[in-house]
Amino acid sequence: GNSVTQMEGPVTLSEEAFLTINCTYTATGYPSLFWYVQYPGEGLQLLLKATKADDKGSNKGFEATYRKETTSFHLEKGSVQVSDSAVYFCALSKAAGNKLTFGGGTRVLVKP
Amino acid sequence: DVKVTQSSRYLVKRTGEKVFLECVQDMDHENMFWYRQDPGLGLRLIYFSYDVKMKEKGDIPEGYSVSREKKERFSLILESASTNQTSMYLCASSIQGVNEKLFFGSGTQLSVL
Repeated sequence: GNSVTQMEGPVTLSEEAFLTINCTYTATGYPSLFWYVQYPGEGLQLLLKATKADDKGSNKGFEATYRKETTSFHLEKGSVQVSDSAVYFCALSKAAGNKLTFGGGTRVLVKP
Repeated sequence: DVKVTQSSRYLVKRTGEKVFLECVQDMDHENMFWYRQDPGLGLRLIYFSYDVKMKEKGDIPEGYSVSREKKERFSLILESASTNQTSMYLCASSIQGVNEKLFFGSGTQLSVL
């Protein structure tokens, strides 16, 4: 079946540090890949997505590239802020209109 | 602004009680979902619905049921609550055919004692 594996947190960084959160997936075919973010006390919201190999999704300074050869979709941000403190979830969808499969989530804490 | 509203932020119930979790969306979305969120396990899909009065089982439906009598409302029911159902419950909705962009409520933290 489909699965998504994320690095375990928490990840603690200082402001302006570089952030990487690893995500790998298992799925047949060519799934679409997503990053969702959950800020404290809020529901999840879509951060970015990529629908085919070598696509790069980007939003709010975050980027992730769909790597078919390594089945990965790592999230990166060059300079984090305290407001980026949140839980980040990697997810996949086998086809348009299909349900999402989520990873375990990675908590990120950015200190001033 | 689009909104998915869950009726309670925190709920404490006793083992064996019947529990109702309510979710309402104001976006006229066809699709609605119930997930539970547990540390290290991420989000797991309990039930979903693509239309009024229809429902489909997700990955972990045991011990739960759902009701969708109106398009905007999707209820999760714990028939006889157990301690292993202590969790954060998240409701989400999406437009028809676009399940990838989900709009989530802020969650209900349920504790079963």
